[in-house]
Amino acid sequence: EVQVLESGGGLVEPGGSLRLSCAASEFSVGSCVVSWIRQIPGKGLEWVSAIVARGETHYIDSVKGRFTISRDTSQNTVSLQMNNLRVDDTAIYYCAKGRPSASIFDYWGQGTLVTVSS
Amino acid sequence: ETVLTQSPATLSLSPGERATLSCRASQSVGIALAWYQHKPGQAPSLLIYEASNRATGIPGRFSGSGSGTDFTLTIDSLEPEDSAVYYCQHRGSWPLTFGGGTKVEIK
Repeated sequence: EVQVLESGGGLVEPGGSLRLSCAASEFSVGSCVVSWIRQIPGKGLEWVSAIVARGETHYIDSVKGRFTISRDTSQNTVSLQMNNLRVDDTAIYYCAKGRPSASIFDYWGQGTLVTVSS
Repeated sequence: ETVLTQSPATLSLSPGERATLSCRASQSVGIALAWYQHKPGQAPSLLIYEASNRATGIPGRFSGSGSGTDFTLTIDSLEPEDSAVYYCQHRGSWPLTFGGGTKVEIK
């Protein structure tokens, strides 16, 4: 059964760093798009970052230069390194697997909460 | 960036009624559009991809239509478990974007 499991969320002060991890089961992170998508409390979904099968990475403008997505195909994981965190980065972060050759997400994890607060 | 505008923001209907949700794109995305259902405390789930294709395991009462800039998600014969927020998302170009969501309430 395809599964996606996030970890690494927590409470951090503004300007701090966190590293989120996404562990994949029954699919290869090197063969599809894997994205991080967040939901700010009380708000809608916001796509944050993606790494595609060819290894290209993409980011929403508000996190460029602060967040870095990467993958480890030997561990079958995707990570999101988040630096210089801001209060408005507070959200539930979901990892999601893309359908074959498409950035449409057919499997999502349960999410991990990131709280940025002093 | 392609902006997706969903309407209405909230839809309150009775069981058995039909829900019609709209998603309008600021520029053409062809049929590169998906719909998701998101219930509180759960992960979002894919309903429709490529504008009109139901994802695996999705009941036939959910259907999608449209192309270009105007898309519709229709839920026939609403059931209590359809209470959720529904989002559209395009995959036509980077950055990916989601619509603001439509909350469907079952009376």
